[in-house]
Amino acid sequence: SAVISQKPSRDICQRGTSLTIQCQVDSQVTMMFWYRQQPGQSLTLIATANQGSEATYESGFVIDKFPISRPNLTFSTLTVSNMSPEDSSIYLCSVASQTSTYEQYFGPGTRLTVT
Amino acid sequence: GQSLEQPSEVTAVEGAIVQINCTYQTSGFYGLSWYQQHDGGAPTFLSYNALDGLEETGRFSSFLSRSDSYGYLLLQELQMKDSASYFCAVRPGGYNKLIFGAGTRLAVHP
Repeated sequence: SAVISQKPSRDICQRGTSLTIQCQVDSQVTMMFWYRQQPGQSLTLIATANQGSEATYESGFVIDKFPISRPNLTFSTLTVSNMSPEDSSIYLCSVASQTSTYEQYFGPGTRLTVT
Repeated sequence: GQSLEQPSEVTAVEGAIVQINCTYQTSGFYGLSWYQQHDGGAPTFLSYNALDGLEETGRFSSFLSRSDSYGYLLLQELQMKDSASYFCAVRPGGYNKLIFGAGTRLAVHP
């Protein structure tokens, strides 16, 4: 299994500003993912962070709003841009196991509140 | 597109057995996974089924019927610490990603 850390763990931001969330993994991994989860709700995939190429975004998510970097095999960032209260959520990064996409390991999450 | 259905809530008593069902519709299918998430915590992987049948891991078992597009998670000898949300997730054909169901909130009572 992989150990994943995220920074910050929580933040309160004003609308119109941007926040960058960092995800660090203790080992090299090929596949990293970013999810959003409202409390008590399901996990919604935002994008797959690809090392050395642009992220692959899911329907409803765009690069201008959620730019993602993946400079190496252990690190990724997700930026939430021009925030509005609707962006208040928990943002989680995950990595797939070396053998299977079905088994993912999640970071502790970043709880974002936009006022 | 893809869709998954699972009950929103299940209640059970300590020591009992509970089954959480999941039906899915996907364009192509590679397998069904199950995750557990305690309040305030991160999801943790429980099990995965690619083929029909039952997979057992301690007190937890997971079942898949590909012909019925159906699976379930079986929790035996329930403990208070099993109170959590449980998510089924599918990997749709041709994609290296997971699509999660809405989750089932399990409450275990003494």
